[in-house]
Amino acid sequence: QKEVEQDPGPLSVPEGAIVSLNCTYSNSAFQYFMWYRQYSRKGPELLMYTYSSGNKEDGRFTAQVDKSSKYISLFIRDSQPSDSATYLCAMSAGSSYKLIFGSGTRLLVRP
Amino acid sequence: KAGVTQTPRYLIKTRGQQVTLSCSPISGHRSVSWYQQTPGQGLQFLFEYFSETQRNKGNFPGRFSGRQFSNSRSEMNVSTLELGDSALYLCASSFLSGGPTDTQYFGPGTRLTVL
Repeated sequence: QKEVEQDPGPLSVPEGAIVSLNCTYSNSAFQYFMWYRQYSRKGPELLMYTYSSGNKEDGRFTAQVDKSSKYISLFIRDSQPSDSATYLCAMSAGSSYKLIFGSGTRLLVRP
Repeated sequence: KAGVTQTPRYLIKTRGQQVTLSCSPISGHRSVSWYQQTPGQGLQFLFEYFSETQRNKGNFPGRFSGRQFSNSRSEMNVSTLELGDSALYLCASSFLSGGPTDTQYFGPGTRLTVL
């Protein structure tokens, strides 16, 4: 079993929809949680970063962490075709910079 | 400010050969991490260098090695290539210690194909 599980998709939604992307994990030591976006033929770029539990909002993006359930989510409001990409969750246990990534969810936003 | 650059962008090798990939971090960044990305395994951490020292290492065989130079540029080497080494190799740089609170900036990657 992988430490971080993520549904690969693809997830296809109409423009303007609310998108929910999720990851589950098994290592209770994870404290740092990130979401990356990766466009085709590009490297990942950091979207959101959260420490421990709680919510964080940045524009149309909201990241949620539920450590009791070992479950994290990324919500995208008013989705746009430009949001079409692969979204990767990543986690780390502490100061050591070993990020564990999910396999990524491919999102397609239809105009 | 220029981003992270990786050379070459594409590479084709045969089994048994060795390969060296290069990464130039963003100016001023001292931490460089390397990742392997495959459809089956996703993004996996290879190793991280800071000030020419390897600080963290993932679970890869000794055929995978790396180094960092005094100007923070980094190279990774894979010896005795296997078919399963075909992947996108990504380099990421960060300014400070390279910890999880540090934003990592990824390069576009080197696509390695092993025949």
